[in-house]
Amino acid sequence: GQNIDQPTEMTATEGAIVQINCTYQTSGFNGLFWYQQHAGEAPTFLSYNVLDGLEEKGRFSSFLSRSKGYSYLLLKELQMKDSASYLCAVRDNNQGGKLIFGQGTELSVKP
Amino acid sequence: GAGVSQSPRYKVAKRGQDVALRCDPISGHVSLFWYQQALGQGPEFLTYFQNEAQLDKSGLPSDRFFAERPEGSVSTLKIQRTQQEDSAVYLCASSYYRDSYEQYFGPGTRLTVT
Repeated sequence: GQNIDQPTEMTATEGAIVQINCTYQTSGFNGLFWYQQHAGEAPTFLSYNVLDGLEEKGRFSSFLSRSKGYSYLLLKELQMKDSASYLCAVRDNNQGGKLIFGQGTELSVKP
Repeated sequence: GAGVSQSPRYKVAKRGQDVALRCDPISGHVSLFWYQQALGQGPEFLTYFQNEAQLDKSGLPSDRFFAERPEGSVSTLKIQRTQQEDSAVYLCASSYYRDSYEQYFGPGTRLTVT
């Protein structure tokens, strides 16, 4: 089965750095995704990791360790607009390749 | 180009009513997914289409839920005899093919069953 864990909520200060962790258990791993979702809006794609290591994209970076079943999303130079829910999702080829989402981490950025 | 659109954005139904939720995917996208998102939770997979073929419906919670995509573009998710536990946001996503690294989500339909 699937088990994806991420913290329910986090708080950080504008201008700071925050790391959101995600752990997962899956039998047919084929990629880990991070999405951002503002309240009442659609999830928007942030990053994709299928190989171990760090992927950097502007202020956002995502890291994957397949052997540990672990990923993190790193947000630098936090802005107020970064307040949102951050969803970790895993694609499992043993489940038809669909995305299995975690519950999301609600990030609040304070001035 | 235009993104994924969904209609209606909000739907209030009385318990026992049937509802139909529409999704217009991005033109040319072969794959279409429906998800259900409860308040404070991540999206949960409902069903998947490749063109007009429904290849995976393992996430549909009961036989009251039915989805179709007859011409391989627009899709409709129908819920019969709605129950209060059906209240959620229903998200549609499309991608060029199933293993595309990016699924594009629509804004969702918020269904409230009273």
